[in-house]
Parts: sequence; C-alpha cells; structure tokens
Amino acid sequence: KAGVTQTPRYLIKTRGQQVTLSCSPISGHRSVSWYQQTPGQGLQFLFEYFSETQRNKGNFPGRFSGRQFSNSRSEMNVSTLELGDSALYLCASSFGSGVDEQYFGPGTRLTVT
Amino acid sequence: EDQVTQSPEALRLQEGESSSLNCSYTVSGLRGLFWYRQDPGKGPEFLFTLYSAGEEKEKERLKATLTKKESFLHITAPKPEDSATYLCAVRALDSNYQLIWGAGTKLIIKP
Repeated sequence: KAGVTQTPRYLIKTRGQQVTLSCSPISGHRSVSWYQQTPGQGLQFLFEYFSETQRNKGNFPGRFSGRQFSNSRSEMNVSTLELGDSALYLCASSFGSGVDEQYFGPGTRLTVT
Repeated sequence: EDQVTQSPEALRLQEGESSSLNCSYTVSGLRGLFWYRQDPGKGPEFLFTLYSAGEEKEKERLKATLTKKESFLHITAPKPEDSATYLCAVRALDSNYQLIWGAGTKLIIKP
C-alpha cells in the first residue's frame, strides 16, 4: 500500500514569490491535514480538508491557503513569501473518522531567500 | 483550553538504559491519544493509538500506557537507532477532529 507522497521534496523561492505544494494521500483516505515545522518549533497546524471541504483551520495568515480535489489529493499555496516561511511542510492523511491516526508524508523543505 | 505537555524536552540515555517519556493532557474528553516518532528532516512515523485509561500497546522495545491524565512511552533496553524525537498528540471530543500536539521529547541513545 503506497504511503503519502509530497511534491516537490525541496524548493527554493525568493521573497515575494508564491509557491504551491502538492500532497497525494493514502488510497481511501478522505482527510488531508497540513502542518508547518520549523527548527525548535513543534508541529504547527495549518488546515485540514475532508471530502473537498475545509474542516479545520489553524492560526496562519490568509497568505496560506489550500484546497482538496475530488480524488482527495490536496494542494497548499503560500503567496507573497516571507523569509519566515522557510520550513518543512508536512502533509498527513487519514480516513477522517475522528478516531483514526494520521499518516505523514516525507515533507517539502521550502527555503525562502 | 485543551493542552498537551511532553516531558522531558530532551533525554540522553546509555544504550540499554530503560526509561519513560511523559505526555500529560488536559482535554474535556478524550477521543484518542497518538504517539509518533520523528527522525530529523522526515515526516513523523505513527507508533500507537490509545483510546481509554488502562489501555497498553507494545511494539518491539516500546510500550505505551494511558491513564485519565497522562500517557507514558516506556523504552526498554534502547539502542542507538531508537534516537529520535517522540511526539504525542491528542484528539478531544470537542476538537472537531483536530489533533492537539505536544512539543516532543528528543531522545538520544549513546552506544
């Protein structure tokens, strides 16, 4: 059974640019969550999508947005990049029942210069 | 406010020296508690789910236990490859499915 995949794995962008990250969940999973992780910081929750609808949202500015497609694949977009957006962005998928665990992808390492 | 606290922040052990990591939580009602292991630069790897007080789960050198206020991850006779950051997360009944994460315990096992 294939795991969660994320593309690209590494990305270098310049301040002011925008970026789109992609996540393909485990087959059959309907929930996709996105997290930001920086050195010394724990997992910071961005948002969760379930059946194409945003079910939860963390405390991030509106520059961070996401969406989910009918096949459960998800994308997140960051506009007007800032240096502080440099981080490991993690995607996690689950069935979304409320009692099941999340499975994480390998992450996308974003560096903003 | 729902909260998850992990202790200690970091733990250094000699190979073979058993110990425990703590995850204490304050939630209105527990839907599930999850343990993960994370290696540097990688996504967290799922280890265990615990649902009710008294429940225990084991996997190789790891054993997770749950009470009404906290969970322990016991590591028996650890090896250097057990070195990682261990994360705990809780899903509360009133959290609309969202996980509340602890800051993690960084475990270093010296050979």
